[in-house]
Amino acid sequence: QKEVEQNSGPLSVPEGAIASLNCTYSDRGSQSFFWYRQYSGKSPELIMFIYSNGDKEDGRFTAQLNKASQYVSLLIRDSQPSDSATYLCAVNPTQAGTALIFGKGTTLSVSS
Amino acid sequence: DTEVTQTPKHLVMGMTNKKSLKCEQHMGHRAMYWYKQKAKKPPELMFVYSYEKLSINESVPSRFSPECPNSSLLNLHLHALQPEDSALYLCASSQGAAVPNTQYFGPGTRLTVL
Repeated sequence: QKEVEQNSGPLSVPEGAIASLNCTYSDRGSQSFFWYRQYSGKSPELIMFIYSNGDKEDGRFTAQLNKASQYVSLLIRDSQPSDSATYLCAVNPTQAGTALIFGKGTTLSVSS
Repeated sequence: DTEVTQTPKHLVMGMTNKKSLKCEQHMGHRAMYWYKQKAKKPPELMFVYSYEKLSINESVPSRFSPECPNSSLLNLHLHALQPEDSALYLCASSQGAAVPNTQYFGPGTRLTVL
């Protein structure tokens, strides 16, 4: 069974710190990896996607992918209280067509 | 523009009612999705339409009936629901065949079944 694992948290960091969110996946043939942010009561909002090994940076966010270790992470630099949300890791596995497999999400709390 | 719209925002219905949820996108996407999300849980895939044909049905009870009238619209018809069906219903769309197949979510419909 294809799985995506995340630490549910909560992950607590002070304002200005780096928050590190991690995700592992079971299907070695997975092709694309996504990070979504979801505020309470709202819908998931795409932050970043990555599909090549290495780092991808967008503003304060950096996604890291290591296919050999089946590991994807999201770093948030200079964390702000507005970053407090649940972060969902999603994977497009092999033979899944267009479907995504979601992890259970990590709750991030940034204190001012 | 990466907007997916959903109506209504909120819906309260009785177990004998029939109602429909609507979703629309104008990004030229060819795949559309219905998800169900309960509190503190990840989105749970219900249906996938690819090029207006139902390609995935994740063993959803027949009281949920999807419909894709055209490439921009997706409906979810509800009938004889149970209180445990109360949840946030999310619609999403994606290009369908591209890598990465990025899904964009609508704001959701908060459904309460009494």
